[in-house]
Amino acid sequence: EAGVAQSPRYKIIEKRQSVAFWCNPISGHATLYWYQQILGQGPKLLIQFQNNGVVDDSQLPKDRFSAERLKGVDSTLKIQPAKLEDSAVYLCASSLRVGTGTYEQYFGPGTRLTVT
Amino acid sequence: EDQVTQSPEALRLQEGESSSLNCSYTVSGLRGLFWYRQDPGKGPEFLFTLYSAGEEKEKERLKATLTKKESFLHITAPKPEDSATYLCAVQEGTGANNLFFGTGTRLTVIP
Repeated sequence: EAGVAQSPRYKIIEKRQSVAFWCNPISGHATLYWYQQILGQGPKLLIQFQNNGVVDDSQLPKDRFSAERLKGVDSTLKIQPAKLEDSAVYLCASSLRVGTGTYEQYFGPGTRLTVT
Repeated sequence: EDQVTQSPEALRLQEGESSSLNCSYTVSGLRGLFWYRQDPGKGPEFLFTLYSAGEEKEKERLKATLTKKESFLHITAPKPEDSATYLCAVQEGTGANNLFFGTGTRLTVIP
């Protein structure tokens, strides 16, 4: 079974530029998550989708970050304009679904963003 | 507010030297506690889910246990390939499927 795919793996941009990350979840997984992991810290949830609807985006800095999940499969996370403090690894994860049960989240390899 | 504290921050073991990693948590009703392994440059890899106090799960040299306030990841006779950062995360009983992660324990096993 193919895992969560992400691209690009690395990106270096200057502050105030824009950047976009792509994620393809595990086939059949209805729920998709974007996390930000700053060096030396655990991942922090940015946004959660179930199918193509947003379940939780309370931690997403909406003045500069946006995300979409068209057709309930692939997802794109965008930052515009980027700040120095956005330097981090952006992780995409997927799980079977959100409900009353507990479903393991499976992570992609991440995109390492460096803002200079 | 949910809190997850992992200790120690870093741990160096000789090959074969058993030890335990700790994850203490504060959450409004625990739905699940998760352990992940993260290798440098990679995403977290799922290891275990624990649901209730007293539960234990094992995988190879790893054994995870859960109490009402903390979880332990016991590593028996570790090998160099067990070197990684081990992350603990909690999911609270209400709301969405969000995971709240600790900062991890960086384990190094020396041959």
